[in-house]
Amino acid sequence: DIQMTQSPSSLSASVGDRVTITCRASQSISRSLNWYQQKPGKAPILLIYAASSLRSGVPSRFSGSGSGTDFTLTISSLQPEDFATYYCQQSYSTPRTFGQGTKLEIK
Amino acid sequence: QVQLVESGGGLVKPGGSLRLSCAASGFTFNDYYMSWIRQAPGKGLDWISDISSGGTTKNYIDSVKGRFTISRDNAKKSLYLQMNSLRAEDTAVYYCARDRRDWNSMDVWGQGTTVTVSS
Repeated sequence: DIQMTQSPSSLSASVGDRVTITCRASQSISRSLNWYQQKPGKAPILLIYAASSLRSGVPSRFSGSGSGTDFTLTISSLQPEDFATYYCQQSYSTPRTFGQGTKLEIK
Repeated sequence: QVQLVESGGGLVKPGGSLRLSCAASGFTFNDYYMSWIRQAPGKGLDWISDISSGGTTKNYIDSVKGRFTISRDNAKKSLYLQMNSLRAEDTAVYYCARDRRDWNSMDVWGQGTTVTVSS
């Protein structure tokens, strides 16, 4: 199975900050990497697919990059509604494993 | 609108069985692969199974192989997860999700149904 490792596991930031979350795969997954946002008690929401494609309706302050084994999710200017947990997920092979999550908290 | 609604969760004793359902609406169900994902209390997300649009291809994570069975009824626009020989570690919120094969991602999720395995 492909292991996905996110860093950091938690992050404190302020409204307006630029934030970057990293996801590393245990082997190359090309660009088969998705990012999801989850708020407490809610289902996850797809933000970015294929490493860098922004899903329609997702604010442009979210962006993704990377290929192979190293990927990043960047939020250019944090908004109050962005405080949540973020998960990467590889879709290169089954089982489609998730990272452990990065909890983004208000400083 | 596009919607997935899970049901069937509850409290079950170790070794027991439960069948989860996921009702789809607002899209052509039989055009899509579907997945089940679970989240243990306070933990991250675990993809556990998926099924092809016609129901012929099924995949499972190792920890549920032989115990869980995914199925679908396209006429009823419904997805199912039959869970047998349940263990305490199966306690989780179970989500169904629509697979976008062109995006290789899960673009629509249900609200989840809670399964608790405890004596």
